[in-house]
Amino acid sequence: GAVVSQHPSWVICKSGTSVKIECRSLDFQATTMFWYRQFPKQSLMLMATSNEGSKATYEQGVEKDKFLINHASLTLSTLTVTSAHPEDSSFYICSADGGGRTYEQYFGPGTRLTVT
Amino acid sequence: AQKITQTQPGMFVQEKEAVTLDCTYDTSDQSYGLFWYKQPSSGEMIFLIYQGSYDEQNATEGRYSLNFQKARKSANLVISASQLGDSAMYFCAMREGDTGWNTDKLIFGTGTRLQVFP
Repeated sequence: GAVVSQHPSWVICKSGTSVKIECRSLDFQATTMFWYRQFPKQSLMLMATSNEGSKATYEQGVEKDKFLINHASLTLSTLTVTSAHPEDSSFYICSADGGGRTYEQYFGPGTRLTVT
Repeated sequence: AQKITQTQPGMFVQEKEAVTLDCTYDTSDQSYGLFWYKQPSSGEMIFLIYQGSYDEQNATEGRYSLNFQKARKSANLVISASQLGDSAMYFCAMREGDTGWNTDKLIFGTGTRLQVFP
């Protein structure tokens, strides 16, 4: 099956610093990747849709200048949390489309961000 | 308004018994897809089962089956012969739109925490 990886799996950073999270499709090419955020005991909330070679589409209420998304290749999308604050602490999950007419999005294992 | 509603925040089931997790949805699209995902404590999202809006038969995948009632807009997940390893959060999700099966965003419900006891 298709595999999506995320790096790092967890990160602790100080308030005011920036953190980059990578999402890679390991054995397939993904034109579209999605970034979700999940707070404890809550559901997944879509933050943005990332398309290779073009600007990401952000969901309403998500600050595009704070959450920078770059989808530079068909196998890599990155999410950079700029000037992180404690309220940005969350579980960030990416997913990737299968590259064909499949119905499934393939999810990465997630990245747990803690901002101190 | 909620597009995906899961009314059961938590469910308990005894090992080897069957359990039904409820999901209702709201859409005006004719073409849509419904998914169930399992999320264990590790956080990974595990795909369980899919039902397309035009599929006439209920989807089944091993011990998982989806009770799809289109007129009622419900897509309940049935887990048969529950196992201790089934203890996890379960999310119902919907994909809307016709732009492409796999490039449309998923909308998730609030989830149901299932606990299987011996």
